[in-house]
Amino acid sequence: EAGVVQSPRYKIIEKKQPVAFWCNPISGHNTLYWYLQNLGQGPELLIRYENEEAVDDSQLPKDRFSAERLKGVDSTLKIQPAELGDSAVYLCASSLDPPREQFFGPGTRLTVL
Amino acid sequence: QKEVEQDPGPLSVPEGAIVSLNCTYSNSAFQYFMWYRQYSRKGPELLMYTYSSGNKEDGRFTAQVDKSSKYISLFIRDSQPSDSATYLCAMSANNNDMRFGAGTRLTVKP
Repeated sequence: EAGVVQSPRYKIIEKKQPVAFWCNPISGHNTLYWYLQNLGQGPELLIRYENEEAVDDSQLPKDRFSAERLKGVDSTLKIQPAELGDSAVYLCASSLDPPREQFFGPGTRLTVL
Repeated sequence: QKEVEQDPGPLSVPEGAIVSLNCTYSNSAFQYFMWYRQYSRKGPELLMYTYSSGNKEDGRFTAQVDKSSKYISLFIRDSQPSDSATYLCAMSANNNDMRFGAGTRLTVKP
């Protein structure tokens, strides 16, 4: 069974540029999560989807971050414009509904110069 | 004060040692407790999953939850160099909104 797929694995951009991350969850997993992980810290939830619906986006900085999960399968997280402080690893995870174990992808490491 | 506190280490032990990793928390509503292992430049992978208080054993790994003290532990017996990774505790009240500790970096030396 294929795991959670994320792309790109690494991204380097200059500040004020836009950037997008893509996630394909495990087949059949209705719930999808985007997390932010800063160096030396644990993941912090940005947004949670149940199918197409964003059921928890309270931690998503909506002035510059947006996300979508069209058709309830893969998802895209966008930052526009990126700031220096956005440099981090962006992790995607998925789980069955009702949730139990969350399966994480390898993450996208973003560097903003 | 953070909701979940975890000593970041680093922790270095010789091969074969027993490793003890711990987290404390402040939210009494937490009832799902997990330990994740994260290798460098990889995503976290679930090691242990415990509901409410008690112990759970899986091979060389034992997870303990003491809700009265708001304290959870992960023990690794006969540690191996392949156990070298960052260990993250995580907990949730509803199995959705997980709160992670900062992670403890472990190195097991041959």
